[in-house]
Amino acid sequence: DGGITQSPKYLFRKEGQNVTLSCEQNLNHDAMYWYRQDPGQGLRLIYYSQIVNDFQKGDIAEGYSVSREKKESFPLTVTSAQKNPTAFYLCASSINRVDNQPQHFGDGTRLSIL
Amino acid sequence: DQQVKQNSPSLSVQEGRISILNCDYTNSMFDYFLWYKKYPAEGPTFLISISSIKDKNEDGRFTVFLNKSAKHLSLHIVPSQPGDSAVYFCAAFGNNDMRFGAGTRLTVKP
Repeated sequence: DGGITQSPKYLFRKEGQNVTLSCEQNLNHDAMYWYRQDPGQGLRLIYYSQIVNDFQKGDIAEGYSVSREKKESFPLTVTSAQKNPTAFYLCASSINRVDNQPQHFGDGTRLSIL
Repeated sequence: DQQVKQNSPSLSVQEGRISILNCDYTNSMFDYFLWYKKYPAEGPTFLISISSIKDKNEDGRFTVFLNKSAKHLSLHIVPSQPGDSAVYFCAAFGNNDMRFGAGTRLTVKP
């Protein structure tokens, strides 16, 4: 059945280390998104992609990078430049970014600093 | 800037009663509104939505009301069940931008 798969579920990072969070979807959606959730806050948009080989910064893109080489995949790299990376990261997809359509979410990756 | 606000971080109701979750927004460009439900250690799942051309949308036990003049929407759950206990996020979409509220934790007591 179709859905969004995020891996790993839990991830630990050492200081100064880059880590990559995986997001794969088999919904044939054009648009994909990365959000960060912190306690007591709504979901904040890090990056989004409307089509393969294209992506745009969201509200909190600093310290993060993404790629969209395949329609199904939208990995997020948390770089050492991200000074406060501990958070719950959610990947989502939607048919496109223009029409009124709900986004579908993965189950998230919790990133912690060692 | 919090364009979508859920002012109640938590709500507790008795099983069988009505749950009312509220959400306010500030941006008049928003024209599509959604509610998501989230269990611990899972991603949010889409629950119900409403377009700005409507003021009410119903789906089983769930009804969303939209008051455009007040920039306010609410989710009613009737009757509430223990399995409804979760965090509920409202979201607003418009002008290619989607914003989420901080969530309200609903606890339904048996």
